[in-house]
Amino acid sequence: AQKITQTQPGMFVQEKEAVTLDCTYDTSDPSYGLFWYKQPSSGEMIFLIYQGSYDQQNATEGRYSLNFQKARKSANLVISASQLGDSAMYFCAMREGLGSGYALNFGKGTSLLVTP
Amino acid sequence: SQTIHQWPATLVQPVGSPLSLECTVEGTSNPNLYWYRQAAGRGLQLLFYSVGIGQISSEVPQNLSASRPQDRQFILSSKKLLLSDSGFYLCAAVGQGTDTQYFGPGTRLTVL
Repeated sequence: AQKITQTQPGMFVQEKEAVTLDCTYDTSDPSYGLFWYKQPSSGEMIFLIYQGSYDQQNATEGRYSLNFQKARKSANLVISASQLGDSAMYFCAMREGLGSGYALNFGKGTSLLVTP
Repeated sequence: SQTIHQWPATLVQPVGSPLSLECTVEGTSNPNLYWYRQAAGRGLQLLFYSVGIGQISSEVPQNLSASRPQDRQFILSSKKLLLSDSGFYLCAAVGQGTDTQYFGPGTRLTVL
């Protein structure tokens, strides 16, 4: 079964606007971590933001924030004030407990295009 | 902060040829190391992970193998490549006392 679901294959946003990328997850483990990565056309996976399952506050990193709704099992990424350089693939990922040496399960990604 | 190196950056190999991709990590000791493969337009699939020298766990049956001869060196190998081995291979590391995976720049492999 898919553990990470990203339902938006592609998204458009105008420069300087905010955009939300959706992510839902499935786990029965009480201890888990949620991550967002950006993959530009060069291919490198760039870490953006992390949310632990026990964290009380939503994570924020500059223009990135994570809208963590634990009961709904969602961890949406919000990018504020979009820039042309934000155009890329965005992947949501989950680490469950101690299994697989902290390996990550990835969603299929969302392609974001920022337009002028 | 840790830095992850991968080489080569791109590789074109014929079917049936051997493969060796290398990953090295700087800036941390005793990291957990991972090999992922990404098919075109898809998410990442975990291939192998290692929690220490000589300790390798495989997540999916395949034509590939991994080795960790040194603390900060992780190698992905194959004796005979298949067409289906084509893809983008990413090495990642989690440093001790941290919870975040950082990735190398990747190797784009094309098997013809």
